[in-house]
Amino acid sequence: KAGVTQTPRYLIKTRGQQVTLSCSPISGHRSVSWYQQTPGQGLQFLFEYFSETQRNKGNFPGRFSGRQFSNSRSEMNVSTLELGDSALYLCASSLDRGNGYTFGSGTRLTVV
Amino acid sequence: AQSVAQPEDQVNVAEGNPLTVKCTYSVSGNPYLFWYVQYPNRGLQFLLKYITGDNLVKGSYGFEAEFNKSQTSFHLKKPSALVSDSALYFCAVRDSGSARQLTFGSGTQLTVLP
Repeated sequence: KAGVTQTPRYLIKTRGQQVTLSCSPISGHRSVSWYQQTPGQGLQFLFEYFSETQRNKGNFPGRFSGRQFSNSRSEMNVSTLELGDSALYLCASSLDRGNGYTFGSGTRLTVV
Repeated sequence: AQSVAQPEDQVNVAEGNPLTVKCTYSVSGNPYLFWYVQYPNRGLQFLLKYITGDNLVKGSYGFEAEFNKSQTSFHLKKPSALVSDSALYFCAVRDSGSARQLTFGSGTQLTVLP
């Protein structure tokens, strides 16, 4: 079966712009989580969506937001980009039981 | 709050030798524990997990891990390392409660020397 698909793979944006990243989970998975990976902070939880509702949120500013659609696809948005937002953004999908997480290949965002 | 510690940033081992990557954790309830591997410019690949049951968990590519509740550890092991095992390894934990987020360790870079 198809894995978790994240698009685009690479993005270059300018400070102050906004960006939208997309994640398509494994078919049948209704939970989608987002993580930010940076060399300095490691892997940090952003938020989790289930059935179009944000169920959990990490400690990130309000510039980071997300949503989930009825087909379980999820998007995350970062507004007013800062240099420090440069990172690999990873999406993970899971069945609701939360005992298994499959990650996508990530979107590499570079802010210049 | 939950946390994970991977005390070694770097582990070097000769090809054919056994390898161990260490992980200790802290959660308020029963732990769900995971190991993932990351190759350069790639996402995380699942290796194995402990949810309940046998303390020795066998996973992909010949890896295994032992859950030790008294020592709150979940070390990753492989009897005979391959050069292709060289990668970044992450341990992750979540508690068995309603919160679904994973907390990751800082990662251990494994280098297998030919």
